[in-house]
Amino acid sequence: AQSVTQLDSHVSVSEGTPVLLRCNYSSSYSPSLFWYVQHPNKGLQLLLKYTSAATLVKGINGFEAEFKKSETSFHLTKPSAHMSDAAEYFCVVSGPSGGYQKVTFGIGTKLQVIP
Amino acid sequence: NAGVTQTPKFQVLKTGQSMTLQCAQDMNHNSMYWYRQDPGMGLRLIYYSASEGTTDKGEVPNGYNVSRLNKREFSLRLESAAPSQTSVYFCASSETLAYTDTQYFGPGTRLTVL
Repeated sequence: AQSVTQLDSHVSVSEGTPVLLRCNYSSSYSPSLFWYVQHPNKGLQLLLKYTSAATLVKGINGFEAEFKKSETSFHLTKPSAHMSDAAEYFCVVSGPSGGYQKVTFGIGTKLQVIP
Repeated sequence: NAGVTQTPKFQVLKTGQSMTLQCAQDMNHNSMYWYRQDPGMGLRLIYYSASEGTTDKGEVPNGYNVSRLNKREFSLRLESAAPSQTSVYFCASSETLAYTDTQYFGPGTRLTVL
């Protein structure tokens, strides 16, 4: 069984300040973890992916996430928010389940960036 | 390289009408998926196709059918639309069903059933 919890449904930051979007997961195996971003009325774009290599994963647009097994967390960070970062972010856990790839999405965190 | 494309982008149906959502990918991926996105619920898997010629049910398959027409194309059909099927539908593809494979998403189809 697996699950993913995004701890904040909305996050608001000022432009130029750090971003932290929190994600905890539960899994009975060693999962793959992803962060996707969805801009308004758009599809989902992959930000970054963890698959048991380096625990600190760097993604596009200055985002990064750290896999912490002991805390079962995969939080997304960015040192300095930009207006274009305003979007909804989804944490995703993926693991084996019978014959297929079981993918579980979090409910999303909406990031607001204040000028 | 367009990635994953979906048609139409928007659709309004009346209860009981039928329609087919089209999806195509040009990444030579073996596996394809259909999801629906509803507010506060993330994305939920409707159907998936491991490879050409195979399809299987996901979490919420009731009221839907799919066809894997060839390696590139995977369509979703609503035979008799209901208001509960108002949602945003996303198609995705991945190289294989391996859980380490990344899924790539299309831009979505926004469906309203009146």
